Amino acid sequence: EAEVAQSPRYKITEKSQAVAFWCDPISGHATLYWYRQILGQGPELLVQFQDESVVDDSQLPKDRFSAERLKGVDSTLKIQPAELGDSAMYLCASSMPGTGSDEQYFGPGTRLTVT
Amino acid sequence: AQTVTQSQPEMSVQEAETVTLSCTYDTSESDYYLFWYKQPPSRQMILVIRQEAYKQQNATENRFSVNFQKAAKSFSLKISDSQLGDAAMYFCAYRPVAGNQFYFGTGTSLTVIP
Repeated sequence: EAEVAQSPRYKITEKSQAVAFWCDPISGHATLYWYRQILGQGPELLVQFQDESVVDDSQLPKDRFSAERLKGVDSTLKIQPAELGDSAMYLCASSMPGTGSDEQYFGPGTRLTVT
Repeated sequence: AQTVTQSQPEMSVQEAETVTLSCTYDTSESDYYLFWYKQPPSRQMILVIRQEAYKQQNATENRFSVNFQKAAKSFSLKISDSQLGDAAMYFCAYRPVAGNQFYFGTGTSLTVIP
């Protein structure tokens, strides 16, 4: 069964350093989402792509976060510089528009710890 | 603005018993989708069940069923014959038909007692 791939699974970085996360959605899924999930809370959308275009990045802290999906397939989320408050799980999900409820398929996530 | 509220941060259930997780949501839309997602410890989030708002019939998936009350904006999840593998965080989510954004609740941590 096809799955959303994410790497790394765990990342520890020092404050002020740069960090990047990678996501490979299920093949053919045009919509890709990046979420941040703080421990004990639900996922919060950071950015949503439709193919290579950003559909919604209203909650993305653009002074330090950036996301790209250059060829409309895999995607990278970057944080520079990382802050202590960025410690969280970063989830990637993908979906196929036009398939009814557009169920999201989630990757295993990247757990970021900023020290 | 759409919001999803899960008022039970933690729940527990005896193995083989039934448990109901609560979810309410706020929206001005008439057509939308509702979901329950399960997130086991250190594992990825998976879809448990979905409900289309235009359908009056409650969705069921094996031991999982929902009680969808559209007028009350309530969407509870019932797990029957609870199993140890049901232990996880459960998230309620809302998605309007017009738009692709999902809105998640804060989750309910379910413990299954052997």
